[in-house]
Amino acid sequence: QVQLKETGPDLVQLTQTLSITCTVSGFSLTTYNVHWVRQPPGKGLEWMGAMWNGGGTDYNSAFKSRLSISRDTSKSQVFLKMNSLQTDDTAKYFCARRELGGYFDYWGQGVMVTVSS
Amino acid sequence: DIVLTQSPALAVSLEQRATISCKTSQNVDNYGISYMHWYQQKPGQQPKLLIYEGSNLASGIPARFSGSGSGTDFTLTIDPVEADDIATYYCQQSKDYPDTFGAGTKLELK
Repeated sequence: QVQLKETGPDLVQLTQTLSITCTVSGFSLTTYNVHWVRQPPGKGLEWMGAMWNGGGTDYNSAFKSRLSISRDTSKSQVFLKMNSLQTDDTAKYFCARRELGGYFDYWGQGVMVTVSS
Repeated sequence: DIVLTQSPALAVSLEQRATISCKTSQNVDNYGISYMHWYQQKPGQQPKLLIYEGSNLASGIPARFSGSGSGTDFTLTIDPVEADDIATYYCQQSKDYPDTFGAGTKLELK
């Protein structure tokens, strides 16, 4: 069945770089798009960026040039990398599969990342 | 960016109807499709897709959930509300870049 699982650090130091891996199963990254969404504690959802099935990427301009998304199709993995972390980047980070209509039909359980000074 | 506005909370009694609204700052319809989707999120869990493209029920979701609306005004209805439905509900638009979400409506018991 379709599954997505995020792995990454619990704690990142201020101004350092965050790296999270999303490992998927039950579908191919060359067929489906995988996106990243984050959620600060007690707050709403924020779309971060996309890894399209053709290998292209899109980013929310709110993250300017801090964010990078890549993939390894042979390992069914999508990677998020974000630098210059600040305390307001403390959030749960989700990867999610996106259907053509733009909705997210499967989500990982998320990884909670705290940025510490 | 398209802004989605939801009421912060809604109090409802079990077995009654709950209607949760989402208003968008711009039209999210295109060629007859509403690019509006609804999710349920319980504490500590990931969001779960309930309704896609305005009114289509996602796989495995009970028929108690329904979506309606078009243009800039959308509604998620739960009828009747069950105890397991107590959660926060988010709307999302995918008509325009970037995707945006509403701030969520927390469904509470009266």
